[in-house]
Amino acid sequence: AQRVTQPEKLLSVFKGAPVELKCNYSYSGSPELFWYVQYSRQRLQLLLRHISRESIKGFTADLNKGETSFHLKKPFAQEEDSAMYYCALKGGTSYGKLTFGQGTILTVHP
Amino acid sequence: DTGVSQDPRHKITKRGQNVTFRCDPISEHNRLYWYRQTLGQGPEFLTYFQNEAQLEKSRLLSDRFSAERPKGSFSTLEIQRTEQGDSAMYLCASSLQGAQPQHFGDGTRLSIL
Repeated sequence: AQRVTQPEKLLSVFKGAPVELKCNYSYSGSPELFWYVQYSRQRLQLLLRHISRESIKGFTADLNKGETSFHLKKPFAQEEDSAMYYCALKGGTSYGKLTFGQGTILTVHP
Repeated sequence: DTGVSQDPRHKITKRGQNVTFRCDPISEHNRLYWYRQTLGQGPEFLTYFQNEAQLEKSRLLSDRFSAERPKGSFSTLEIQRTEQGDSAMYLCASSLQGAQPQHFGDGTRLSIL
């Protein structure tokens, strides 16, 4: 079975501070990991995926297979980063269904 | 292209009634997914279509739920004899085949009175 755990439901930081949203997963094969973001009154949208190894809006995430983690990081948080963030896993044997974590609400204070 | 479109945005109904939701995926996307999201939880997978074929169904999809994608374009999700526990946000997503990301719609929020 595949499972995604986001241990923090709420995370608050001040503008300019570093931020790290934690994600741990459980999967026996080689997963594909994603971060999705939902801004206020907007639809869920893809932020980044581990196979792209890119930085989007200053965010990066590295897949650590040893620790089964895919933490999302940004060195200097901005107020516009305030949103709900979901970590999601796609197993290699499925047709692409995503297994989501419970989500973390990030609030960046001015 | 406006992205994945879902209709209606909100549905309020009495327990025991049937409801049907519609999803129009991004054109050319041959994969279509339905998810359900309850308060405080992430989306949970319900079912998946590749073109018109329903290829995977979650155990969450009881026999009161049925989904179709008759011509490989739009999809409908029907819930018969609704129950209180069906209250949730129902999300639709679509993608191209291969290692392509899923694009989500705004969802249909179902409230059972």
